[in-house]
Amino acid sequence: QKEVEQNSGPLSVPEGAIASLNCTYSDRVSQSFFWYRQYSGKSPELIMSIYSNGDKEDGRFTAQLNKASQYVSLLIRDSQPSDSATYLCARRRNTGFQKLVFGTGTRLLVSP
Amino acid sequence: SQTIHQWPATLVQPVGSPLSLECTVEGTSNPNLYWYRQAAGRGLQLLFYSVGIGQISSEVPQNLSASRPQDRQFILSSKKLLLSDSGFYLCAWTYTDTEAFFGQGTRLTVV
Repeated sequence: QKEVEQNSGPLSVPEGAIASLNCTYSDRVSQSFFWYRQYSGKSPELIMSIYSNGDKEDGRFTAQLNKASQYVSLLIRDSQPSDSATYLCARRRNTGFQKLVFGTGTRLLVSP
Repeated sequence: SQTIHQWPATLVQPVGSPLSLECTVEGTSNPNLYWYRQAAGRGLQLLFYSVGIGQISSEVPQNLSASRPQDRQFILSSKKLLLSDSGFYLCAWTYTDTEAFFGQGTRLTVV
């Protein structure tokens, strides 16, 4: 089982809709999670980080962490065509060497 | 503020040739440094990470190696490139409890 798993997509949503991106992880040690956005040919850029159970909101983005079910999600409200990109989920353990491991990413397509 | 520089941006190399990619971080000291590789349409594969000068951990045993000769310098090397080494190489830095920040990446094509 991979440490971090994502559906590769593409996930297609119309402009203005809510896009929901999901990520599951395999171990229960204390971890932090990150969502990155990557446009084609570019390096990843951080959207949000989440460290504890529950929701965290930043503008149109909401990250949700559920440690009991071992998943983390990213909601994008009022999706725009400029949100079309690949979204990478990453986890970092909070003990030992804090290696950062990424999922394979979900491609999001927002149609006008 | 911290910045990370990675070069070159693109590189075309023949099979069997050597490789040297360099990454430097400014505005910080003693960062954790990472090299990732991304094959076309794939996720980020962690290749090497370093917690300090001369301290390198390898995730994927291949014909690649990494070195950290200075606190804020991280180098990825190969003596002889393979076709399978083609990809998008990304350098990143973090502190112990922060998110990772990436360089602009090097797109390597081995021909």
